[in-house]
Amino acid sequence: DAGVTQSPTHLIKTRGQQVTLRCSPKSGHDTVSWYQQALGQGPQFIFQYYEEEERQRGNFPDRFSGHQFPNYSSELNVNALLLGDSALYLCASSIYPRESLSYEQYFGPGTRLTVT
Amino acid sequence: RKEVEQDPGPFNVPEGATVAFNCTYSNSASQSFFWYRQDCRKEPKLLMSVYSSGNEDGRFTAQLNRASQYISLLIRDSKLSDSATYLCVVNLDTGFQKLVFGTGTRLLVSP
Repeated sequence: DAGVTQSPTHLIKTRGQQVTLRCSPKSGHDTVSWYQQALGQGPQFIFQYYEEEERQRGNFPDRFSGHQFPNYSSELNVNALLLGDSALYLCASSIYPRESLSYEQYFGPGTRLTVT
Repeated sequence: RKEVEQDPGPFNVPEGATVAFNCTYSNSASQSFFWYRQDCRKEPKLLMSVYSSGNEDGRFTAQLNRASQYISLLIRDSKLSDSATYLCVVNLDTGFQKLVFGTGTRLLVSP
C-alpha cells in the first residue's frame, strides 16, 4: 500500500518564476492538504482540497493556488516566486471527516524548494 | 500569542531517562490533538492522537487538559532512536482538517 508521494524531491528556481508541485494521496484517502515548512519552524497550513474544491485556506497570498484531480491527486502552484518562498512543501492526505471524527493526516516526503 | 506554543529545547537526556514535553494552545474550541515526530529533513510522522482520557502507546503517554489548554507527551526509557523533533498539533475546526503546528521540541538522547 503506497503512502503519500510527492514530486519532485528538490527544485531550484529563480525569483519571479513559477513552480508546480505534485502530490498523490495515500490509497483510500480523498482529501489533500498542503503545508509550507520554513527552516526551524513547524509546518504552516496553505490550503486543503476535497472533491476538487479548495475547502479551507491559511494565510497565504493568491500567488499560491492549487488543484485537485478526479483521482484525488493534487498540485500546488506558486507564481512570482520570492526568496522567502524557499521552504519544504509538504502534502498530507486524509479521509474527509463525514462519517468518522478521525482527523489524522499522513504526510508525504515533501518537496524542498530553493528560490535564488 | 501563538496558537500552539512549545518549548523549542533542545532537551538533552541520557538513554533510559524519562522526558516530558508540554504544549499549550490558545483556541478553546480546538477539537483534535496530536503529537507528530519529525526527523531532520524528513516529513512529520504521526506519533499518536491525544484523547481526553489520556492514552498510552508503549513507552509514550499523551495527556490532554482542556481546562488549562495544554497537552503533554511523556517518553519513558528513552532510546537513541527517539532523538527527533516532536511537534504538537491542534485541529481548530470541526468538519475541517486545518492542522496548526507548534514549532517543535527537539530531543537529543545520548548514550
